[in-house]
This record gives sequence, C-alpha cells and structure tokens, in this order.
Amino acid sequence: DIQMTQSPSSLSASVGDKVTITCRASQGISNYLAWFQQKPGKAPKSLIYAASSLQSGIPSKFSGSGSGTDFTLTISSLQPEDFATYYCQQYNSLPPTFGQGTKVEIK
Amino acid sequence: EVQLLESGGGLVQPGGSLRLSCAASGFTFSSYAMSWVRQAPGKGLECVSSISGSGGSTYYADSVRGRFTISRDNSKNTLYLQMNSLRAEDTALYHCAKKQGSGWYVPFDYWGQGTLVTVSS
Repeated sequence: DIQMTQSPSSLSASVGDKVTITCRASQGISNYLAWFQQKPGKAPKSLIYAASSLQSGIPSKFSGSGSGTDFTLTISSLQPEDFATYYCQQYNSLPPTFGQGTKVEIK
Repeated sequence: EVQLLESGGGLVQPGGSLRLSCAASGFTFSSYAMSWVRQAPGKGLECVSSISGSGGSTYYADSVRGRFTISRDNSKNTLYLQMNSLRAEDTALYHCAKKQGSGWYVPFDYWGQGTLVTVSS
C-alpha cells in the first residue's frame, strides 16, 4: 500500500495567515492526489483533486500543487471557517490511502 | 444538490452482523462508483470497499475481505454494506462516499456524515 505522510500533524495560525500543509507519498503517484477538509461532526468536504484542480464551489484561497511524491495545500488567507482538519488522499493505486490529517487551530 | 445519508449503524457484539445503507440523491446514481470509508476513533481514514456504477465490480480492503459485502440497488439509489463477523477493530464512523467517475482511479467528490458502528460486548 502507498503510505501518505502529512506534515505538520497540527498547526496554530491566526486569521489572515497563509498556511501550507505538505503531503508526501511513499512512491510516485503522478497527480492522483486529493485534499479534503473535515470539521467535527461533519462530512468530509472535497477541496482539490488531480493535485491542483479545485472542486466546484471551492474558493480560490485554496490551492494545491505537486506531482510525483511531494504535494502541498495552501490556504492563502485563513478565515474562521477554515479551522478544521485537512487530509490528503492518493487514488493512483488500490487501496486508496489517506494521510493522517493536519489539524489547523486558532492561535 | 448531492446528498448521501447513511443509516444502520449501532452497537453490536463481536461476531455479530450489521447492514449499513446509504440513500443517495441529486445525481445519476448508476453512473458513479461508490465507496465506504471508515474513520476509527482517534485514527485515520480507511477505504474499506468500493463498487462500480453497474455493481459488477467490487473492491475490498484486506482488513474486511471475506467478512463485508458491498452492493447497490440502482433502482432505489441506495448503497449497502453487509458486515458480518464483526470485530472490535471494526468500530468506526462509516461514511458513504461518491466517486467523481465510474472507475477506481478517480477521486471522491461527495461524502455523507457517517453512521457509527460500535462492536463491543
């Protein structure tokens, strides 16, 4: 199975900050990488697919980049509604696997 | 608007069975592959099973193969997960997730809130 490793596991940031989360795959996955946001008690929300394509309705403050084994999710200006846990996921091969999550908390 | 509503979770003893359902709406259900993804307390996400739009192809994680069966009724827009021989380690929140296309190697685009399965004596 492909292992997905996110860093950091958690971070504290202030409203307006730029935040970057990293995801590394244990082997190359081309651009078969998605990012999700999850708030407590809520369904995960898909943000990005194909490493850098925004899902419909997702604001442009979210952006993704990378290919192969190294990927990043950037939130350009953190807003109160963005405090949540973020997950990466590869769908290049079965089984689809997820990172362990990055919790973004208010500083 | 795409909606996925899971049901059927609950408390069950080890060795018992449960059947989860996911009622889908807002899209052409039969055109999309679907999956069950679980989230154990304090642990990460695991895709336990997937099924093609027609229902003709299925995938199972090693951890559930031989115990869980995924199925779908396209006439009722409903996805199912029959879980047998349940173990304590199957305790988790089970999410239904829609894939963005009909194949395996496509991303998820919509998720349900989940139904909680607790396996305990």
